[in-house]
Amino acid sequence: GAGVSQSPSNKVTEKGKDVELRCDPISGHTALYWYRQSLGQGLEFLIYFQGNSAPDKSGLPSDRFSAERTGGSVSTLTIQRTQQEDSAVYLCASSTGQGANNQPQHFGDGTRLSIL
Amino acid sequence: EDQVTQSPEALRLQEGESSSLNCSYTVSGLRGLFWYRQDPGKGPEFLFTLYSAGEEKEKERLKATLTKKESFLHITAPKPEDSATYLCAVVGRGGATNKLIFGTGTLLAVQP
Repeated sequence: GAGVSQSPSNKVTEKGKDVELRCDPISGHTALYWYRQSLGQGLEFLIYFQGNSAPDKSGLPSDRFSAERTGGSVSTLTIQRTQQEDSAVYLCASSTGQGANNQPQHFGDGTRLSIL
Repeated sequence: EDQVTQSPEALRLQEGESSSLNCSYTVSGLRGLFWYRQDPGKGPEFLFTLYSAGEEKEKERLKATLTKKESFLHITAPKPEDSATYLCAVVGRGGATNKLIFGTGTLLAVQP
């Protein structure tokens, strides 16, 4: 069956531009997560969506980062006025049920973002 | 603060040479410990979930075990296709319970 799909797979942009990253979760998965993986560092939690509940935005590093999830399915992560330190792989994951505990998260292959 | 430390950072094995990867964790009440495999340019692939000390899970040449302070991923008679980065992550009861806390991984290379 289809897994988590992310697009684009690669994005190169100039400093100061805005970027949008897209995630299509596994069908029927109510929970959706965004993580960031920087070179030499572990995955860093950014934001969590569960059904119609208010998202957990506690991991967003600055107000330049925002995310939305429309219709309980597709999610878009937006980074405004990109900086070089935003360069990383942005990973999306989805799972069944509520919360990260108990239910394994299934990841997409990520968007590799490079800021020139 | 919840924390995960993996060791070694990198491990090189000969095909058939068994070994273990370590994941030490500090968490305010463990809700689950997860092992993932990550290949270059790909997202993490789920392997195992462990919930309580003494629990063990197996899949092919891999076996994961859990104590109150650490988890081991045992690799028996590895093959070159087992080469990957292995990630460990935990979910705790305190703080933000909706996120996985990841270690930085162990890069495993199995030579034929």
